[in-house]
Amino acid sequence: SQQGEEDPQALSIQEGENATMNCSYKTSINNLQWYRQNSGRGLVHLILIRSNEREKHSGRLRVTLDTSKKSSSLLITASRAADTASYFCAGGGFQGAQKLVFGQGTRLTINP
Amino acid sequence: SQTIHQWPATLVQPVGSPLSLECTVEGTSNPNLYWYRQAAGRGLQLLFYSVGIGQISSEVPQNLSASRPQDRQFILSSKKLLLSDSGFYLCAWSVQMNTEAFFGQGTRLTVV
Repeated sequence: SQQGEEDPQALSIQEGENATMNCSYKTSINNLQWYRQNSGRGLVHLILIRSNEREKHSGRLRVTLDTSKKSSSLLITASRAADTASYFCAGGGFQGAQKLVFGQGTRLTINP
Repeated sequence: SQTIHQWPATLVQPVGSPLSLECTVEGTSNPNLYWYRQAAGRGLQLLFYSVGIGQISSEVPQNLSASRPQDRQFILSSKKLLLSDSGFYLCAWSVQMNTEAFFGQGTRLTVV
């Protein structure tokens, strides 16, 4: 079963608005990563937050991690049409194993 | 710089035919290697991962197998394809479990 579950499954907003996506996971992880996937392409890494961190920023991206709730959120500020893509969270170091387990993703559509 | 090559980009194969997808990484040594499958509009399912030559961990019992004959080569195979093997197959690598993963562009497999 997938360890990461994104919410919502789909999100449609107007350009310039902020987009927030959430991720929940079931077991302990070493880090939580967010990826972006344009249609029919491979995934691109956006940001990694370690289990001992609570918040991290990268450009227009802001990620939070709450290990007590086993949840993370990704905020994209001032959205652009080019941000239209699917976004996935992935838990790293799951149970100490050398693997990265992904959620089902959030399909984000930015309307111009 | 590191690069990952995955081929072919698209593949149409008849049911019962064999499969061999190859993935190679350049510019790094002893990477962790991953094969994922993605159904249309869904998340990524981890199929196999490898932390070294000849070391393969299988996540999902199925009609597929993986091999790592060289340090930077990861092969996904099947002796006889099923219709249910259709999907988007992604290869990825990472330095270790605590770092980001880099994905290939994927192979769109259609079994007919």
